Amino acid sequence: DSGVTQTPKHLITATGQRVTLRCSPRSGDLSVYWYQQSLDQGLQFLIQYYNGEERAKGNILERFSAQQFPDLHSELNLSSLELGDSALYFCASSVQGVNSPLHFGNGTRLTVT
Amino acid sequence: GQQVMQIPQYQHVQEGEDFTTYCNSSTTLSNIQWYKQRPGGHPVFLIQLVKSGEVKKQKRLTFQFGEAKKNSSLHITATQTTDVGTYFCAGLSSNTGKLIFGQGTTLQVKP
Repeated sequence: DSGVTQTPKHLITATGQRVTLRCSPRSGDLSVYWYQQSLDQGLQFLIQYYNGEERAKGNILERFSAQQFPDLHSELNLSSLELGDSALYFCASSVQGVNSPLHFGNGTRLTVT
Repeated sequence: GQQVMQIPQYQHVQEGEDFTTYCNSSTTLSNIQWYKQRPGGHPVFLIQLVKSGEVKKQKRLTFQFGEAKKNSSLHITATQTTDVGTYFCAGLSSNTGKLIFGQGTTLQVKP
């Protein structure tokens, strides 16, 4: 158990809809990262937050947004969903920044129909 | 943009054979991390290398960081079925401060 909690585990929704994925980092970790993993694909970095502030942005679509709250949990919002958004979304956390190991949650499997 | 290339994409070996995956960056890295993702699981941190030419071992796994800090390798000696999974390298760019994951090498081990 990595200590990173992601909910929900599975999500099935229709095109055009909006969903919210939630992540609670390991106790004591200040950084939260979101990654997208499509079938047989690598890990595409979306965004990083550190202690409530956006730290780095990757290939995150404008339809996607995220935030980190004062209690350090994070939410990833995906809107106007398309079939191609179907993927496994991982949240990871680390003590500080990317110099420290990332601890991944179990992921949220999103299926857009 | 900066890329971290990982080869091979797939590798099938007989149990007991050795396995190596290579990671190459277009730019200098501050450090490199390795992760393992079992089928149906999430990536799990294995190790971090920081120094030029560094070599670290974990039982049958040997990790190397190149002298120029642009490449790395993971070597598994005498593979076992428990080694099955996808191995990712992740390089921390010295320029951008971003952690870039390679595409991963998926290892299959035939018993």
